[in-house]
Amino acid sequence: SQKIEQNSEALNIQEGKTATLTCNYTNYSPAYLQWYRQDPGRGPVFLLLIRENEKEKRKERLKVTFDTTLKQSLFHITASQPADSATYLCALGPGGYNKLIFGAGTRLAVHP
Amino acid sequence: SAVISQKPSRDICQRGTSLTIQCQVDSQVTMMFWYRQQPGQSLTLIATANQGSEATYESGFVIDKFPISRPNLTFSTLTVSNMSPEDSSIYLCSVRTGEDSGYTFGSGTRLTVV
Repeated sequence: SQKIEQNSEALNIQEGKTATLTCNYTNYSPAYLQWYRQDPGRGPVFLLLIRENEKEKRKERLKVTFDTTLKQSLFHITASQPADSATYLCALGPGGYNKLIFGAGTRLAVHP
Repeated sequence: SAVISQKPSRDICQRGTSLTIQCQVDSQVTMMFWYRQQPGQSLTLIATANQGSEATYESGFVIDKFPISRPNLTFSTLTVSNMSPEDSSIYLCSVRTGEDSGYTFGSGTRLTVV
């Protein structure tokens, strides 16, 4: 069955460093991959979408890579800030306006 | 991106009762998605709701337990029926408004069944 794995352990980093989160998947060939941020008690907020034919995408301090051979996406936050502390979810989609499959998320804590 | 108003934001319910959750979108969308997020877990899709047709349910979810209405292109409800403590969870609705955009989520309904 389809499986998405994100590091279940919290990631703790110092302010100003780059945070790198990993998303691995099996038994799936997604048309795109998305990253979301979720704060406690809130719904997920969309951050970035990367398609299967794209290697890298950037948005301000965020960078996402997508390796369909390794079946892996890396999510980077450069110059991290305490306000970046949240849970980050990756999600895979088959394309179009179809359902997403979510990973369990990785909690990031940025310390001053 | 769309804005979704979801309510109630939280509720505490007695077992055996039902709760209806509402989602109102500020634009017309073809498909709406209902998710459940149990404590410390990821989001699990319950069903996809299209206007004018019956909702499509994912494995493990049935219409009798989670009836869905979709009367128009901006509104949907999810009912959690005959609740038990195992139904305690956060319920979220979601829409997608463009090919290059992600999905927009409601703020969620935190349900506790006692």
